[in-house]
Amino acid sequence: SQKIEQNSEALNIQEGKTATLTCNYTNYSPAYLQWYRQDPGRGPVFLLLIRENEKEKRKERLKVTFDTTLKQSLFHITASQPADSATYLCALDDFNKFYFGSGTKLNVKP
Amino acid sequence: GAGVSQSPRYKVAKRGQDVALRCDPISGHVSLFWYQQALGQGPEFLTYFQNEAQLDKSGLPSDRFFAERPEGSVSTLKIQRTQQEDSAVYLCASSLSRGGSNYGYTFGSGTRLTVV
Repeated sequence: SQKIEQNSEALNIQEGKTATLTCNYTNYSPAYLQWYRQDPGRGPVFLLLIRENEKEKRKERLKVTFDTTLKQSLFHITASQPADSATYLCALDDFNKFYFGSGTKLNVKP
Repeated sequence: GAGVSQSPRYKVAKRGQDVALRCDPISGHVSLFWYQQALGQGPEFLTYFQNEAQLDKSGLPSDRFFAERPEGSVSTLKIQRTQQEDSAVYLCASSLSRGGSNYGYTFGSGTRLTVV
């Protein structure tokens, strides 16, 4: 099974800066990798999916990269806003289901 | 409905009590997943349905856990003889297709189970 590592320490940044979150995995490269946002007391909300043959995916202020050599995905939020403060989870495909990392909490300060 | 609905929102059970957690997925979503999330952790996979067929139950922690989706829509996760270690948020998610959809999973808000 996969071991998925996300930085357990909270990331604190200033409004307007770019936030970069890291997801590392240890075993086989998944066919798909997803990023989710989770707010306290709520279920995760799907943000982006990237396939193994895609290097980069963008959606508005969000950008995801997928490096199967490094076994790493980076998640960027540009022009960050206090409303972006949440926990961000990466999830890796394993046949019929996704395995999730423990998430990184992002705090964007005004 | 527009989203995945889970009930109850909160459940307090005495140790040894049986509980049933309900999930109403988005209409037409073929795949349904149950996850368990402990405080400060990511969701842990429990089981997966495609329509009414339970294709993967490898994540169920013990034979006290049982899930069903008899008509391919609503699903119930049942926990028998609850233990304190069962305390967690139980999340249900549905997806239009298996795994690789561009739309990902849609999660419900979860049921917070506390075993006392």
